Formats: sequence, structure tokens, C-alpha cells
Amino acid sequence: DGGITQSPKYLFRKEGQNVTLSCEQNLNHDAMYWYRQDPGQGLRLIYYSQIVNDFQKGDIAEGYSVSREKKESFPLTVTSAQKNPTAFYLCASSVAGRHNQPQHFGDGTRLSIL
Amino acid sequence: KNEVEQSPQNLTAQEGEFITINCSYSVGISALHWLQQHPGGGIVSLFMLSSGKKKHGRLIATINIQEKHSSLHITASHPRDSAVYICPLQETSGSRLTFGEGTQLTVNP
Repeated sequence: DGGITQSPKYLFRKEGQNVTLSCEQNLNHDAMYWYRQDPGQGLRLIYYSQIVNDFQKGDIAEGYSVSREKKESFPLTVTSAQKNPTAFYLCASSVAGRHNQPQHFGDGTRLSIL
Repeated sequence: KNEVEQSPQNLTAQEGEFITINCSYSVGISALHWLQQHPGGGIVSLFMLSSGKKKHGRLIATINIQEKHSSLHITASHPRDSAVYICPLQETSGSRLTFGEGTQLTVNP
């Protein structure tokens, strides 16, 4: 079955370390997204990519970086510059280039600081 | 003022009750989505609406573009419906979604 796989489900990071969250999809979607969710708050867009080798900053991109070398993969790196990285991170994908397409979500990664 | 607001923020119901969750927005949209987020965090897409009404099983979603309002109805609610329900807006300019805080629904047996 097609879908989005995020790994790991839980991730712990020491202060000052970079950490990379994986997101893979086999839906043949062009567009991929990374969201951050804090307790009791809505999802906020970190980065998104409409096509391979291209990506744009979302609303809270500071302290994060992404790459889109393959259509199937959109890894997110949480750098040491992100001062409050503890959150729930969700990856999503959709058909790009057209309006009104549903986004498919992964199961998320919970990141915590040790 | 947030671009999208949901009400109520928290809702507790007894099994079998009819449930309505409301979503109001203040900007132009190309579509409105209804998502269900389970306690583990995973999100399922329930509906995408640009006009009228859609039904899937016990779930019904409606949208009134002129009034900038959408509702999600759950008939014969069940404890497994307990989740956070979110109504993100799809911008007219592309595929980005704008999220509100969601409605926490708890259905007691």
C-alpha cells in the first residue's frame, strides 16, 4: 500500500547536536511538507517542496534545513540553532501543480532534548 | 485574529450522540479540509470541500463559502471517534494549508 513513512517515531537529542528526521513516500507525489506541532497548538509549516531539487521556507524555518534530492525523500535536519526543538514533527505529501489536492500525512516523529 | 477558528475547543459527548464541530475562517480559500488526529499523533484526511456537502459513513461535512463556515457532523458517535479534529484551509494560490488549533473530542461509553 502507498503511504508516508516517518522514522524514527521517537528521537532524543543532546544540546548542541544536529539531528535528521526521515520522511519517505511511495505515492509518487511531487509536493512534500514538514510541519511542527506543539502541545495544544495547530500545525505550523516549516519547509515545503513542490518538486525535486527545490524547496521553500514555511512560517517557522529558522533553525531547520531540508533537502530534496529524490522525489520520494524529504529529510528534515533540526540544527543546533533551533533553540526549542522539542515538538512533534509531521511530514505530508500531495500532488503538486494543482489546487484542491488532499495532503497525506505520516505518523510523526516526537523529538525531545536530553 | 486567526485566519481559521474552530468551536468548541473541547467537546465531551456520550456514545450515540450527534456531534457538530464548527470551523469559521476569514480569508479566501480554494478548499477546506477536515482532518482527524489520533492520540498517537497520526493524521487521517477525512474530507476536502470546496462547496456543498460530503458524506462518508457516519461523517458529514458541509461548507458555506459565502458565510465562510464549515461544519463536521458525526452521527451515532462512538468512543473510537475520540480524537482531535482539524479544519485547515487551502490557500487560493497553491497547496499550502493554514491550520487552526483543532477541536478535542472525547466520546464516553
